[in-house]
Amino acid sequence: KAGVTQTPRYLIKTRGQQVTLSCSPISGHRSVSWYQQTPGQGLQFLFEYFSETQRNKGNFPGRFSGRQFSNSRSEMNVSTLELGDSALYLCASSDQGTSYNEQFFGPGTRLTVL
Amino acid sequence: TQLLEQSPQFLSIQEGENLTVYCNSSSVFSSLQWYRQEPGEGPVLLVTVVTGGEVKKLKRLTFQFGDARKDSSLHITAAQPGDTGLYLCAAPGGSNYKLTFGKGTLLTVNP
Repeated sequence: KAGVTQTPRYLIKTRGQQVTLSCSPISGHRSVSWYQQTPGQGLQFLFEYFSETQRNKGNFPGRFSGRQFSNSRSEMNVSTLELGDSALYLCASSDQGTSYNEQFFGPGTRLTVL
Repeated sequence: TQLLEQSPQFLSIQEGENLTVYCNSSSVFSSLQWYRQEPGEGPVLLVTVVTGGEVKKLKRLTFQFGDARKDSSLHITAAQPGDTGLYLCAAPGGSNYKLTFGKGTLLTVNP
């Protein structure tokens, strides 16, 4: 099976702009989670989608949003970018058939905000 | 909020040495996972432990879940440069749909 793919891998934006990141989960996985990783805060949970519904959300401002399509692919959007949004954004998919929510991560999108 | 504290934060050792890294919390967990992340990549799941006192082995890596299910350790025997990476522990964070991660231990194994 192909792994989780994320596009683009690298992105440079300026403050105030908005950005959309894309994630394709492992075939058959219906749960997709998004995380933000920074050196200071580590991996922080953004939100999780299952069958096009957001089931859980982390403590991030409303500028961070996401959605999931009927084919389980997901996008996340960050509006009005701030310098502090510079981070590695990781997408992970999960087979909800297991009890432990084991995550399969993509390589991430490195976002730099100037 | 359930917090996972990992120690040490950084570890630099020579090839062939043994090491142990720790993941501690004041909360009880139903399960705990360990991941390894290499530079430029996403984390990769190594193991899931679910029973208090459980020990799992993956080649030279030994994982233990504390009896009270509040802590876990990862022991590497005869470390190799290929073991270099960020080791992360993670546990369900208040919801089965959300994982809470520790900040990780950055391990460097020098040849």
